[in-house]
Amino acid sequence: KNQVEQSPQSLIILEGKNCTLQCNYTVSPFSNLRWYKQDTGRGPVSLTIMTFSENTKSNGRYTATLDADTKQSSLHITASQLSDSASYICVVSSTGGSYIPTFGRGTSLIVHP
Amino acid sequence: DTGVSQDPRHKITKRGQNVTFRCDPISEHNRLYWYRQTLGQGPEFLTYFQNEAQLEKSRLLSDRFSAERPKGSFSTLEIQRTEQGDSAMYLCASSVDSKSYNEQFFGPGTRLTVL
Repeated sequence: KNQVEQSPQSLIILEGKNCTLQCNYTVSPFSNLRWYKQDTGRGPVSLTIMTFSENTKSNGRYTATLDADTKQSSLHITASQLSDSASYICVVSSTGGSYIPTFGRGTSLIVHP
Repeated sequence: DTGVSQDPRHKITKRGQNVTFRCDPISEHNRLYWYRQTLGQGPEFLTYFQNEAQLEKSRLLSDRFSAERPKGSFSTLEIQRTEQGDSAMYLCASSVDSKSYNEQFFGPGTRLTVL
């Protein structure tokens, strides 16, 4: 069964600090992995997308890594800002003919001043 | 703004009533998806369309849920005889059929509250 597990479930950090969110998956065969940011009451917005051959992708202060061998990904946020407070969702898609991606439950990040 | 719009943004209804939500995808996107999201959870897949064809509907939560995309453009999701457990955020997403990532772009969601 395809699964995506994220950790931690929630995280509180001070403004200006860095943090790293984790994503482990069992989706197979693997196509791509995406990180989304979802503000409270809004739809998810894509941050990064990585395929099998990519092991790092940056989007401003967000850097995602992918280890396809261990089936792990991380999202690193540098110099956090109050606006980074949101849920971060890891989504993995398969090449197996289905266009239905597998979503993680998300990590809730709160950045305090 | 991703270009995907949903209407209404909020809906409050009484138990037993029917509700219908609308999603307008990005115009050139041929795939359209519906998800349900409850508090503290990731989106839960419900159904998806490729053009006007509904290719997967086995994950609709019950026979009270139905979706249409009659002309391959906008889509509607209807919930009949609503129950309090239907209270959730209903998200729509669209993507374009390509050999690339099939990246999904999400709308802002419709928040349903069943009293």
